[in-house]
Amino acid sequence: DIQLTQSPSFLSASVGDRVTITCRASQGINSYLAWYQQKPGKAPKLLIYSASTLQSGVPSRFSGSGSGAEFTLTINSLQPEDFATYYCQQVDSYPITFGQGTRLEIK
Amino acid sequence: QITLEESGPTLLKPTQTLALTCTFSGFSLTTSGMGVGWIRQPPGRALEWIALVYWDEDKRYSPSLKSRLTITKDTSKNQVVLTMTNMDPVDTATYYCARKLDRGGGFDIWGQGTLVTVSS
Repeated sequence: DIQLTQSPSFLSASVGDRVTITCRASQGINSYLAWYQQKPGKAPKLLIYSASTLQSGVPSRFSGSGSGAEFTLTINSLQPEDFATYYCQQVDSYPITFGQGTRLEIK
Repeated sequence: QITLEESGPTLLKPTQTLALTCTFSGFSLTTSGMGVGWIRQPPGRALEWIALVYWDEDKRYSPSLKSRLTITKDTSKNQVVLTMTNMDPVDTATYYCARKLDRGGGFDIWGQGTLVTVSS
């Protein structure tokens, strides 16, 4: 199985900040990586797929980059609604796996 | 509008079999590339992919759960059914179904999830 390790696991930031979350895969996954946002009690929401393609309707302050085994999710100018948990997911090979999550909280 | 909705029991006893139905609208599982999958999330923990079925009957399972799982689709009813045998308290989780547009993409539309509790 491909393991995904997110860092940091917890992040404290302020409105207006720029934050970056990293997802490292245990082996290369080409660009078959997605990012999700999940708020308490809600289903995950797809933000980014194919490592860097913004899902329709997602604000442009979200961006993704990377290839191979290291990927990043960047949020520019944090908004109050961005405080949530973020997960990466690989779909390069089965089983599909998720990272352990990064909890983004207001400082 | 594309929607998915999970339905099934909310409480099971250990060793019982779980049967969850995902009823969807706004798309068809006969469309090339389309898939519907199941993902679960134990309380306070991370997401775990369970199973997936594609338009062409290709079925994929989590290796750690494969012996207990069956996923089927009924295109006439726009439903996908997941069965999981021999339920245990560690299977207590919110179970989500979600659409997958193609084999290389993520899950773009999710149901609201259903909490399944396993307890004696």
